[in-house]
Amino acid sequence: GESVGLHLPTLSVQEGDNSIINCAYSNSASDYFIWYKQESGKGPQFIIDIRSNMDKRQGQRVTVLLNKTVKHLSLQIAATQPGDSAVYFCAENDPNNAGNMLTFGGGTRLMVKP
Amino acid sequence: SAVISQKPSRDICQRGTSLTIQCQVDSQVTMMFWYRQQPGQSLTLIATANQGSEATYESGFVIDKFPISRPNLTFSTLTVSNMSPEDSSIYLCSVGKSSGASRELFFGEGSRLTVL
Repeated sequence: GESVGLHLPTLSVQEGDNSIINCAYSNSASDYFIWYKQESGKGPQFIIDIRSNMDKRQGQRVTVLLNKTVKHLSLQIAATQPGDSAVYFCAENDPNNAGNMLTFGGGTRLMVKP
Repeated sequence: SAVISQKPSRDICQRGTSLTIQCQVDSQVTMMFWYRQQPGQSLTLIATANQGSEATYESGFVIDKFPISRPNLTFSTLTVSNMSPEDSSIYLCSVGKSSGASRELFFGEGSRLTVL
């Protein structure tokens, strides 16, 4: 496998359980947030996004929660599957920056045990 | 969405040499970025590739080390110059497409460089 995720915090869950991955951000001006999934040997893939005028958004098996007061973002994955094993990154966009430039958080490696 | 192709997908390079990474997008895009992902780390923005003008570099990255070209709206190159083992990383091309409220960036598969 590739080297992505070797030094990142790891969350290990049992298949079928729910997973919660957390992310703290520092820029109060950020108003748009994304969760990406990066599998070994691949580029990051979009999972779900949320704007700062919302505190919760749901997708298929995933939910993103945003707490602007404490600058915290979380990704909840329901009924975690082996295919969910990957490194997960949160990213933020400051509208004062040019274009869609994203600033990435540190990442968490999710390992799903069968 | 956008389909992004990067070349090479991986390479092993000798210290002191330079390597140019190519990024081809299947459609015209205004916003194109180059990120670096060091082993076991997150993504760090190197620069914004601007069509028709010099790239905009982030703090800690300079043009002499990472020259970037953007000759048109579908293509860009990143050169990693005078490489050292510390440059061993995954280099990722990404593009943004304005689509309603989304500010999603699409990523290529990355170019994995190992410098010996």
